[in-house]
Amino acid sequence: DGGITQSPKYLFRKEGQNVTLSCEQNLNHDAMYWYRQDPGQGLRLIYYSQIVNDFQKGDIAEGYSVSREKKESFPLTVTSAQKNPTAFYLCASSRDRGRYEQYFGPGTRLTVT
Amino acid sequence: KQEVTQIPAALSVPEGENLVLNCSFTDSAIYNLQWFRQDPGKGLTSLLLIQSSQREQTSGRLNASLDKSSGRSTLYIAASQPGDSATYLCAVRRNTGGFKTIFGAGTRLFVKA
Repeated sequence: DGGITQSPKYLFRKEGQNVTLSCEQNLNHDAMYWYRQDPGQGLRLIYYSQIVNDFQKGDIAEGYSVSREKKESFPLTVTSAQKNPTAFYLCASSRDRGRYEQYFGPGTRLTVT
Repeated sequence: KQEVTQIPAALSVPEGENLVLNCSFTDSAIYNLQWFRQDPGKGLTSLLLIQSSQREQTSGRLNASLDKSSGRSTLYIAASQPGDSATYLCAVRRNTGGFKTIFGAGTRLFVKA
């Protein structure tokens, strides 16, 4: 089955700890994205990558970091510098950055206490 | 700055009713518009993608229209069913500035049996 997987589904961390969220796709898509979703708000873009070894900041990149060493993988690290990290995190991919539709993974709910 | 608004924020209808969800955007310089469905605690499922040169797209009981000049899109759901209960989001992809995607906050739909 082709698709996007995110792990884990739920993640609990103490304040001050870094945490890494996994995102893998087997759709052979070039572009990958990380979004954050908070209740009552639209999705907000954290980072995106158009190609391996390249990534760009989105609207709310502060306190987050990413890497794109393989086409299939785009992990997101939530650092201790992120002031309000508790949220639902969604990974997506598309064939490219323009014309083609985005496909989403099932999401990771991160709770930091 | 592109803003995407979805009205109403929530909607409750009896089973079998035809309904329309609205999405408006402030900047007509878009590449495409995508409608998604999101079930509670889940990722987004793509429903329809309309390119900027198109007026509408159809899939089963769903029909989405696009009027770029007025900055509006509608998602028409025919003969609604309880299984249609979910949050529906529209997302506009700009055709400048890195093809960024802007999401609306969604319409939460409840179809009563």
